[in-house]
Amino acid sequence: DIQMTQSPSSVSASVGDRVTITCRASQGISNWLAWYQQKPGKAPKLLIYSAASLESGVPSRFGGSGSGTDFTLTISSLQPEDFATYYCQQAFNFPLTFGGGTKVDFK
Amino acid sequence: QVQLVESGGGLVKPGGSLRLSCAASTFSISDSHMTWIRQAPGKGLEWVSYISSSSGFTYYADSVKGRFTISRDNAKDSLYLQMNSLRAEDTAVYFCARDRLGATRFFDFWGQGLLVTVSS
Repeated sequence: DIQMTQSPSSVSASVGDRVTITCRASQGISNWLAWYQQKPGKAPKLLIYSAASLESGVPSRFGGSGSGTDFTLTISSLQPEDFATYYCQQAFNFPLTFGGGTKVDFK
Repeated sequence: QVQLVESGGGLVKPGGSLRLSCAASTFSISDSHMTWIRQAPGKGLEWVSYISSSSGFTYYADSVKGRFTISRDNAKDSLYLQMNSLRAEDTAVYFCARDRLGATRFFDFWGQGLLVTVSS
């Protein structure tokens, strides 16, 4: 199974900050990676697919990059509605696996 | 707006069975591959099972293989998860979700989630 390791597990930030979350795969997955945002009590929301493609309707302050084993989600200017938990997911093969999550909260 | 509505969750004793349903409204699931993903209380996301649009292939996490069965009825725009021999560690919120545009294994629309509690 492909292990997905996210870091940090939590980050404290302020509105307007640039936030970067990383995800590392235990083996190469090309660009078969997605990023999701989840708020408490809600279903996850797809933000980025194929490592760098922005899902329709997602603000352009969200960006994804990387290929192979190392990936990054960047929020260029954190907004109040962005405080949430973020997960990466590899779609390279089954079993599909998620990172452990990164909680973004108020500094 | 795509909507997926889950039903069938609740409290069940260890060793018991439960069948989850996921109904699509405003779109037909017949062209979509579908999946179930769960989240134990306070924990991260765990993929459970996946089914192709025509039910031609299915995949399962090792943790549920042999106990859970995914199926679908395209005529009813519905997805199912039959869960047998339930264990305490199966306690979670279960989400159904749609594969984005074919077999990408990226999930663009999710149900609201359904709590399954396995406890005596």
